Order: sequence, then structure tokens, then C-alpha cells
Amino acid sequence: QKEVEQDPGPLSVPEGAIVSLNCTYSNSAFQYFMWYRQYSRKGPELLMYTYSSGNKEDGRFTAQVDKSSKYISLFIRDSQPSDSATYLCAMRVTNAGKSTFGDGTTLTVKP
Amino acid sequence: AAGVIQSPRHLIKEKRETATLKCYPIPRHDTVYWYQQGPGQDPQFLISFYEKMQSDKGSIPDRFSAQQFSDYHSELNMSSLELGDSALYFCASSYSGTGSEQYFGPGTRLTVT
Repeated sequence: QKEVEQDPGPLSVPEGAIVSLNCTYSNSAFQYFMWYRQYSRKGPELLMYTYSSGNKEDGRFTAQVDKSSKYISLFIRDSQPSDSATYLCAMRVTNAGKSTFGDGTTLTVKP
Repeated sequence: AAGVIQSPRHLIKEKRETATLKCYPIPRHDTVYWYQQGPGQDPQFLISFYEKMQSDKGSIPDRFSAQQFSDYHSELNMSSLELGDSALYFCASSYSGTGSEQYFGPGTRLTVT
């Protein structure tokens, strides 16, 4: 079993929809939680970073971390076709340690 | 803003050849990470360096080695290449003082034929 499990998708939504992306994890030592967006054949782009439990909002994106449930989410409001990409959750134990990624969820937002 | 630079962007090698991938971190970043991403897979951590010293090691084959230089750039050396080494290789960098934001480069696509 992988340390980080991500809802596999693929996910297809109409433009303007609210998107929910989710990951669960088994390692209770994870303290740093990230969401990356990756377009085809490109490097992962950091979207959101959260330390420990809580919510963080940045524009149309909201990241939630629930350490008690070992569950993290990324919400995208008013989704746009340009949001179509693969979204990867990633987690880390220490401040500057390696990241462990989920398998990614491919999102398609249809105009 | 300056980003992580990787070179070359594409590389084609034959089996049993060697390859060297280079990574130039964001200015003032002191930590470099290497990841391998196979087709349809998530990035897998290979190795990382902090202040020119190896800080962590993941699933890196013995055929691979890496180092970080005094100017903080890093090189991943891959020898006796196998078909299964074909993948995207990403470098990421971060500044240890501010924490966890790791910024990824555009990747090097290695094809072994």
C-alpha cells in the first residue's frame, strides 16, 4: 500500500463547476502538504502549501488538511478550461525533506 | 522570477551508455532534489543535497550518482543505461530557511533506445 493515496480520476467537469480533489495518507509524521499542477510533459507547478492542519485559500483554490483523519483536499472554484491538468498531492515529514507524491488526478474542464 | 533550469531538455541515449543531467536551482536556494517520473506515474524521489552534502536518498539505482557543486548546481550521472531508465527527470530546489516550498524545473526527458 502506498503512503499517499489519491483519488484516481479522471475527472471531467463543465466550466464553472466546483472541483474537489482528495488524498489520504498513512504516515502520521507528514507535516507539510502540497498540491501541484502538472501539464503534459511539464514540471509540476506548486499551487498550494500548508503546514499541519487547517485551511488555506488562494484565489479560486482552497486547500484543506485534516491530520486527525489523514485527509487532504484541494477545491477549485469556478473551474476554467485552463485548469485542465493533472493535479498531484505531495507530503513531507521534515522542513526540507523529500516529497512523497500521490498518483495524480487528471482533470478536464469542458467549455 | 527566475526558475529552476535543467539541461538538456531532451536526451536520447543507447543502452549501456552514460548520461549527465544538470540542474541549476533558483538563486539563493541551497537544497536540490532529483525525481524520476515514468509515463503515467507520480514523481519518485531519487536523491537530495543540502549545502553540497547528500541529505536524503531514495530509490536511486547504484548505477546513478549525483553531486551538488559549490555554486549549488547539481548533476545526476547515469551509467550503464537501461531501457527502463527512460523517463522524465525533474530537479526541484528549495531554500532551507523558509521551508517546504519546492519548485520544480521543466524536466529532462531521457529516452534510452
